[in-house]
Amino acid sequence: DVKVTQSSRYLVKRTGEKVFLECVQDMDHENMFWYRQDPGLGLRLIYFSYDVKMKEKGDIPEGYSVSREKKERFSLILESASTNQTSMYLCASDRGFTDTQYFGPGTRLTVL
Amino acid sequence: GENVEQHPSTLSVQEGDSAVIKCTYSDSASNYFPWYKQELGKGPQLIIDIRSNVGEKKDQRIAVTLNKTAKHFSLHITETQPEDSAVYFCAASKKGSQGNLIFGKGTKLSVKP
Repeated sequence: DVKVTQSSRYLVKRTGEKVFLECVQDMDHENMFWYRQDPGLGLRLIYFSYDVKMKEKGDIPEGYSVSREKKERFSLILESASTNQTSMYLCASDRGFTDTQYFGPGTRLTVL
Repeated sequence: GENVEQHPSTLSVQEGDSAVIKCTYSDSASNYFPWYKQELGKGPQLIIDIRSNVGEKKDQRIAVTLNKTAKHFSLHITETQPEDSAVYFCAASKKGSQGNLIFGKGTKLSVKP
């Protein structure tokens, strides 16, 4: 069964902290994605990765970075968290060129 | 780049009625159109998709139609049930483009018993 897992369902951090969000997929997918979801704005792509150590900016990369050291793991990093980064973060993966993306359950991050 | 508009943003129906959600896209090269359902506290799950070489696809109570000329596609849910209550997202992409999906802003569907 297809599975994308995210390290935390809920996370509370303070302004200025460095935050790591982890995502793991067990489907041997090439592509992995990080989105943020806000009410009324839908899903917006932050970063994506085609392969290990490869990364590409999405629509809203400012304030974020990513790391993909292993094929199954894709990390989103907030170098210095700010209150406007309070959001739901969704990780997804797909096999590349097939377009069916599988999503994790999401991490609801609150920055105080 | 691609832009996807989705309407309505909220939709309330009585159990047993039909529900229709519509999306338009801007890039005529888009050729893959999935629909995702997101239940409370969960990530989006693919419920149906359609590719540009067909005009309609059905899966039990769910159907999707595509009008390439007008650049719009719609989700139809018949005989709605309370468990259909969720947020639905449409998306569009170009097959072979590394799979980047452009999502609509979502429709919150409420099915009243």
